[in-house]
Amino acid sequence: SQKIEQNSEALNIQEGKTATLTCNYTNYSPAYLQWYRQDPGRGPVFLLLIRENEKEKRKERLKVTFDTTLKQSLFHITASQPADSATYLCALSTKGGYQKVTFGTGTKLQVIP
Amino acid sequence: EAQVTQNPRYLITVTGKKLTVTCSQNMNHEYMSWYRQDPGLGLRQIYYSMNVEVTDKGDVPEGYKVSRKEKRNFPLILESPSPNQTSLYFCASSLSRTGNSYEQYFGPGTRLTVT
Repeated sequence: SQKIEQNSEALNIQEGKTATLTCNYTNYSPAYLQWYRQDPGRGPVFLLLIRENEKEKRKERLKVTFDTTLKQSLFHITASQPADSATYLCALSTKGGYQKVTFGTGTKLQVIP
Repeated sequence: EAQVTQNPRYLITVTGKKLTVTCSQNMNHEYMSWYRQDPGLGLRQIYYSMNVEVTDKGDVPEGYKVSRKEKRNFPLILESPSPNQTSLYFCASSLSRTGNSYEQYFGPGTRLTVT
């Protein structure tokens, strides 16, 4: 069956360090993958999108990689700040099924001052 | 301000009493979708709509109905709510699901409790 896995354990890192979050998937042929940020009690906010034919995407302190061979995406936040503390969700859409979106369960990031 | 709005934000109801959660967007987006979020299960797609009068099932459509009579509105209808529909519901929209417009904008959420 199709599955998207994010590290369910919370990730605690020191301010200023690089946070790396993982999104693994099985039995998918994703056309593209998105990363969202969600704060408690609020709706997710879009951060980055990467397509199957792209290896890497950057936006300010954020970087996403996409390895379709490993079936994995990595999400990096460089020079992390306490304000980056939130839950981060990855989401997949497949070829021919762009309308359907499947989310991972998210990883909670805590940046410690 | 560009936004997705949902009403009500909080709702406590009883089993079997029909309810509607409204969703409206002011961005002229073609695509709209409903999700529910449960601890440990993440966000799961209930229904989506590619455009007016075009809707389709997501991964967990049982017990829900939707309609898309106008581009801006996409109400979620629970004809006979049950306790297992207690959840946090999100509406989302995006410009389209083709081309380069996959970014979804989410509403603030509706917390529903069915007793």
